[in-house]
Formats: sequence, C-alpha cells, structure tokens
Amino acid sequence: NAGVTQTPKFQVLKTGQSMTLQCAQDMNHEYMSWYRQDPGMGLRLIHYSVGAGITDQGEVPNGYNVSRSTTEDFPLRLLSAAPSQTSVYFCASRPPRTSGRGETQYFGPGTRLLVL
Amino acid sequence: KNEVEQSPQNLTAQEGEFITINCSYSVGISALHWLQQHPGGGIVSLFMLSSGKKKHGRLIATINIQEKHSSLHITASHPRDSAVYICAVRNSGYALNFGKGTSLLVTP
Repeated sequence: NAGVTQTPKFQVLKTGQSMTLQCAQDMNHEYMSWYRQDPGMGLRLIHYSVGAGITDQGEVPNGYNVSRSTTEDFPLRLLSAAPSQTSVYFCASRPPRTSGRGETQYFGPGTRLLVL
Repeated sequence: KNEVEQSPQNLTAQEGEFITINCSYSVGISALHWLQQHPGGGIVSLFMLSSGKKKHGRLIATINIQEKHSSLHITASHPRDSAVYICAVRNSGYALNFGKGTSLLVTP
C-alpha cells in the first residue's frame, strides 16, 4: 500500500492565484481530513469528509473548498490564495470508529505552500 | 473547543534517560492520540487511548480520565527518538484538537 499520498510537495503561489492540493489513499478509509500546521500552533482542521459525496467544515475552512467524488481522493482547492494561507498542509485518513479497524490516523507527507 | 496543553514545550535529554511528556485537556473526551512528527515533517500515529495504559517497545502511554491528563514515557531514550511529540483529543464527534507539540532532542 502507498498509504496517503500528497502532491505537490512544495508550491509557490502569487496572491490571488488558485490551485488544488491533491490527496489520495489506497486503504479504503471512509474518513479523510485536511489540516494546516503553522509555527507555534497545533494542527488545525480545515475540512473533512466521512465518505464519498459527504464533506463538512472544520475549524478554519475560509478560503478553501473540498469535494469527495471517490473514496480514494480528497482534493483541497485554494480559491484565491492569500499570504495568510502560507502553511504546511497535511491530509489524513482513518477508518470509521464503528468499523472495528481502530481510529488510527494516517498522515500524508505534507505540502509546503508559500504565498507571496 | 477542547483546550490541549502539552508540557514541556522543549526537552533535551541524554541518551539512556527516561523521558516523560505530559498532556492535559479541558473537557471530557472519547479518545486521546499521541503522534510523532519526524524532523523531516512526516507524522505517524503512536497510540490511541481511551483508558488505562498502552505499551509499544520503549514507549508507554497512560491516561487518567478523571484528572484529564495523559503522559507519554520513553524508556532508554535514543537519539533516533528526537522528534516533536503531539497530543490530540477527540470529544464525541469526528474532529481532533491538537496540542502544540513537545520538541524532544536526545543527545548521544
């Protein structure tokens, strides 16, 4: 299994540009999440999904969109990048609590985004 | 929101020392996670606890539900244990609330 993969690893954007951060997992996990990690702060939840076709907002959703058309993929879209979105972005997945497969979170390697 | 506090913020230890990292939270939880973030940035899950104690190799995690406190212990520490250790809690829903992490450096 490849686990959770993210692309790109690093991206530089200009203010106002849009882009999509890709996330995919091959573990058949229903739950997927996007987090951002900023210096001096804990990981913060941006959006999450509990299954294909179902998404919901986390703690810091403004400026980001998500969709979940398949179990495997959960892309994060920046609509109009701002310097405040400079961060490291992590995608994570896990099975549902009721699946009996535990609730261990599996993280992707992260995407470093710099918005100028 | 469940406030998660970790202590210490930074920790330096000599190889072989016994290490303890603490995590306190403000509201009752359904589960607590300990994660490790490597110097290269990758994050791996170490433990998920809802009660009691778990052990994996040289790592031991404990939780006291009444006191809203968890500890992560590392026995016989080694330089390869150098990393950031993150505590996260889940209330009744889906979302995790994360602490800011404890940066551990183990010197030879």
